[in-house]
Amino acid sequence: AQTVTQSQPEMSVQEAETVTLSCTYDTSESNYYLFWYKQPPSRQMILVIRQEAYKQQNATENRFSVNFQKAAKSFSLKISDSQLGDTAMYFCAFVWGLGGSQGNLIFGKGTKLSVKP
Amino acid sequence: DAGITQSPRHKVTETGTPVTLRCHQTENHRYMYWYRQDPGHGLRLIHYSYGVKDTDKGEVSDGYSVSRSKTEDFLLTLESATSSQTSVYFCAISESTVSTQYFGPGTRLTVL
Repeated sequence: AQTVTQSQPEMSVQEAETVTLSCTYDTSESNYYLFWYKQPPSRQMILVIRQEAYKQQNATENRFSVNFQKAAKSFSLKISDSQLGDTAMYFCAFVWGLGGSQGNLIFGKGTKLSVKP
Repeated sequence: DAGITQSPRHKVTETGTPVTLRCHQTENHRYMYWYRQDPGHGLRLIHYSYGVKDTDKGEVSDGYSVSRSKTEDFLLTLESATSSQTSVYFCAISESTVSTQYFGPGTRLTVL
């Protein structure tokens, strides 16, 4: 079974500092894609970053970057220069291609991040 | 932002009544999904569609049915709502099975 584990239910960080959210996953598939989604209090699910498993280079989007360790099945999210607007639930997710429940995004249970002024 | 709307945004209903939630997209994406979000569970897939009239079950499909008669609309029906179906329901769309999924604003459903 494919699983995603986020071991930190809650985290907090001071404004302008850096924080890293952890995610591990388990799959036997070789062709898959990893995502971080953000869910602010508005409840909207917002894509933060996407990583293709076949790419060795870690994805970055402005202040957000990932540390993708394929052998360890680890996909952590680093937020630099944290801002109050980063306060949200963060979900790690992955989807695999070819066969099975195609397009089934498997989500972790989320990490609640609070950015303090 | 992807053009995805959900209706209604909030609904309160009673046990045993039928409920239909609607997802509408303006992106012409082939794939559409229904998820439910519950505390401690993240999001879980209920049903998905890979084309007009083409649907399949997800992880938590019991008690739900879906229909897609047009590319832009994907309906989720609870034939006889139960309290265990109280949840927040999200619709999502994507161009392919491994493309990024974009989510609608969600519907909060309360079954009394």
